[in-house]
Amino acid sequence: GENVEQHPSTLSVQEGDSAVIKCTYSDSASNYFPWYKQELGKGPQLIIDIRSNVGEKKDQRIAVTLNKTAKHFSLHITETQPEDSAVYFCAAREAGNMLTFGGGTRLMVKP
Amino acid sequence: ETGVTQTPRHLVMGMTNKKSLKCEQHLGHNAMYWYKQSAKKPLELMFVYNFKEQTENNSVPSRFSPECPNSSHLFLHLHTLQPEDSALYLCASGTLANYGYTFGSGTRLTVV
Repeated sequence: GENVEQHPSTLSVQEGDSAVIKCTYSDSASNYFPWYKQELGKGPQLIIDIRSNVGEKKDQRIAVTLNKTAKHFSLHITETQPEDSAVYFCAAREAGNMLTFGGGTRLMVKP
Repeated sequence: ETGVTQTPRHLVMGMTNKKSLKCEQHLGHNAMYWYKQSAKKPLELMFVYNFKEQTENNSVPSRFSPECPNSSHLFLHLHTLQPEDSALYLCASGTLANYGYTFGSGTRLTVV
């Protein structure tokens, strides 16, 4: 089955700096990679996703990159703000199978 | 609101109590999931239902009993729980197509 590893487990940045979270996956058949943000007291919310036919996707201050050959993908947040503080999860999936989640990254943005 | 509603938001129960968690979605999804979230295991899959049929039971103790009467509703029946079962229980829904899941806000369960 699929195995997704996520690093780092905690990340502290100064407001305005960039943050990068990295994930690796094991199953080369996986072709859908979403990222979730979980704020305190809420469930995980989908913030951006990428499919294997695309190398990069951007949405305002967040971007995701995918390297299929190396089987890793990353979340990039630029100009971080205090409201970006949350737990972030990556995941991987092949059509017809379930999502496999990484272990999560606690991001703290210091004002 | 995400389209997946979980009730109650908070629950405190004794070890001899019986309670149920409820999840409801009206997104037209045909798969529903129960996850347990604790400090030790951030997202631990418990049960999977596809088209109302249970397709996965991830070695969950029998004191947790799921029920899926239709594609829109999912329950988790709890009885004789242990303090280590205290956690955030998350419900999610999705499809067999290659998209992400939609999560509810969770039920914070405390077993005393």
